[in-house]
Amino acid sequence: NAGVTQTPKFQVLKTGQSMTLQCAQDMNHEYMSWYRQDPGMGLRLIHYSVGAGITDQGEVPNGYNVSRSTTEDFPLRLLSAAPSQTSVYFCASRKTKETQYFGPGTRLLVL
Amino acid sequence: GQQVMQIPQYQHVQEGEDFTTYCNSSTTLSNIQWYKQRPGGHPVFLIQLVKSGEVKKQKRLTFQFGEAKKNSSLHITATQTTDVGTYFCASSGSARQLTFGSGTQLTVLP
Repeated sequence: NAGVTQTPKFQVLKTGQSMTLQCAQDMNHEYMSWYRQDPGMGLRLIHYSVGAGITDQGEVPNGYNVSRSTTEDFPLRLLSAAPSQTSVYFCASRKTKETQYFGPGTRLLVL
Repeated sequence: GQQVMQIPQYQHVQEGEDFTTYCNSSTTLSNIQWYKQRPGGHPVFLIQLVKSGEVKKQKRLTFQFGEAKKNSSLHITATQTTDVGTYFCASSGSARQLTFGSGTQLTVLP
């Protein structure tokens, strides 16, 4: 199993540009989540999904969209990038209350 | 999700000293998970505690869940340089959201 994969590893955007961060898992996990990590802020939940076709907002959803058309994929879309969205983004997946597996992360810089 | 507060934010210890990080909640937690994130890496699951008063050990790491299920701790005995990283607690109250504490960044001085 590849586990949780994320692409790209690094990305530089200009303010106002849009992009999609890709996330995929091959463990047949129902739950998938996106977090952002900023210095001193820990891991903050952006959006999450409890199954294909079901998504919900987390703590900091503004400026981001998600969709879950398949069990495996959970892309995160930045609609109009802002410098405040400079961060490290982690995708994660799990089965209900069990271990959460994280992807390697995407480092995003918005100029 | 259930809110968890974690202290301290930073901890510097000399190699061989002990280290403890604490996770607290104002509400009863259904479970508590602990993760470790090495510098430049991603969080990796360490353990999950579910029962009141539960204590689990992994080599030099001891994890405790309070009797009231409102707090938890991670204790490392005789730290080594390989213990460097940020330790997070997390809880999934409703099973829909996993909420993380802000983490404790551990530095081990050789």
